[in-house]
Amino acid sequence: GAVVSQHPSRVICKSGTSVKIECRSLDFQATTMFWYRQFPKQSLMLMATSNEGSKATYEQGVEKDKFLINHASLTLSTLTVTSAHPEDSSFYICSARTSGGWEFFGPGTRLTVL
Amino acid sequence: GENVEQHPSTLSVQEGDSAVIKCTYSDSASNYFPWYKQELGKGPQLIIDIRSNVGEKKDQRIAVTLNKTAKHFSLHITETQPEDSAVYFCAASMDTGNQFYFGTGTSLTVIP
Repeated sequence: GAVVSQHPSRVICKSGTSVKIECRSLDFQATTMFWYRQFPKQSLMLMATSNEGSKATYEQGVEKDKFLINHASLTLSTLTVTSAHPEDSSFYICSARTSGGWEFFGPGTRLTVL
Repeated sequence: GENVEQHPSTLSVQEGDSAVIKCTYSDSASNYFPWYKQELGKGPQLIIDIRSNVGEKKDQRIAVTLNKTAKHFSLHITETQPEDSAVYFCAASMDTGNQFYFGTGTSLTVIP
């Protein structure tokens, strides 16, 4: 299947700092990428849909100014958690959709805010 | 919107036995149903999928069945092995370009 990478895989930061997470589709172009948040032992919660060259579409309840999404190219989307706080600690997962409609997930990023 | 329910939330089976996970969906417009396996600390991986024009699909020890009338689909794993232990998620989508709606997940444990 297609490969989606995520970087970093794990990050620990101090409260108030910003953290950027990169999501890359390595062997295909993805016009649409998705960002999910997953709490322990829970399902994936869609945060936003990222379309190349346009503004991201955020799900209800997700703060646009807190979770900045940029989809600069067909293979890269970034999620920046601004002014992170302990409650932002979570597992963040991106996915990329192929032209055929299959969705492949990245390995996830474990964010811990102290 | 679409609502996907998944059962059971936890499942333990003896190695070699079969495991079945069931999902129901609410919107008859959904036509694509993937299943994902998520190991601890990793992202979900697509293991099998089925589209609404097919009733059953099989890939070695894994099979998925779809009942459009009843709006439910199931994942079947035969001859389970310890490495099958993971969390499995079902999902439903109305079209290739639309949002995926995920089930709540099933934690499968295969006991050696």
